[in-house]
Amino acid sequence: QSALTQPPSASGSPGQSVTISCTGTSSDVGGYNYVSWYQQHPGKAPKLMIYEVNKRPSGVPDRFSGSKSGNTASLTVSGLQAEDEADYYCSSYAISNNYVFGTGTRVTVL
Amino acid sequence: EVQLVESGGGLVQPGGSLRLSCAASGFTFNNYWMSWVRQAPGKGLEWVATIKQDGSEKYYVDSVKGRFTISRDNAGNSLFLQMNSLRAEDTAVYYCARGRIAAAGRGEGDYWGQGTLVTVSS
Repeated sequence: QSALTQPPSASGSPGQSVTISCTGTSSDVGGYNYVSWYQQHPGKAPKLMIYEVNKRPSGVPDRFSGSKSGNTASLTVSGLQAEDEADYYCSSYAISNNYVFGTGTRVTVL
Repeated sequence: EVQLVESGGGLVQPGGSLRLSCAASGFTFNNYWMSWVRQAPGKGLEWVATIKQDGSEKYYVDSVKGRFTISRDNAGNSLFLQMNSLRAEDTAVYYCARGRIAAAGRGEGDYWGQGTLVTVSS
């Protein structure tokens, strides 16, 4: 049950795009299409942004999109806005009814 | 409006016990899996445990197996986490969440409480 690997930080200017990777193994990310992404602002609870690799819950802007290739999932935030500055975590179902989060990525809007 | 409100956190000595509760409202509680997730101070999220709608299936992260027990009271719309043999490394904010943190369909990981802080220290 090792954490999925994410880059510690990512940044972009307002209006630009940023992409965050989430690398696992064939026992988690690569083996199932059950990857979610969460946004967390300081001192707040996580908020679901993407589920099942690329689906958005109602209310989440279409600036947020997800994808997966092999053992790596990705979250892209297009048209960056100041309120997108936050920590982002991926999560995945893992073999034998386990679940695992990524190490987290802090996104900074320059 | 969906609401999840955790309670029961506090300061406990190593080796001690605590029982966390999560009061759910605004949705049909017994239709959903439920989960506990924790976050140590300044650290990332860690999945702790998940329970099926009827309580027949329970899953835990290895580090808490044999020490923590997840349960639910569907009549009272409540989720619980009994934590025994607590260690310093269990210090964290504990969140309850509706659903599983990564699964198919809506209603999985879509609502979270504000968390309750557990501090294990002598």
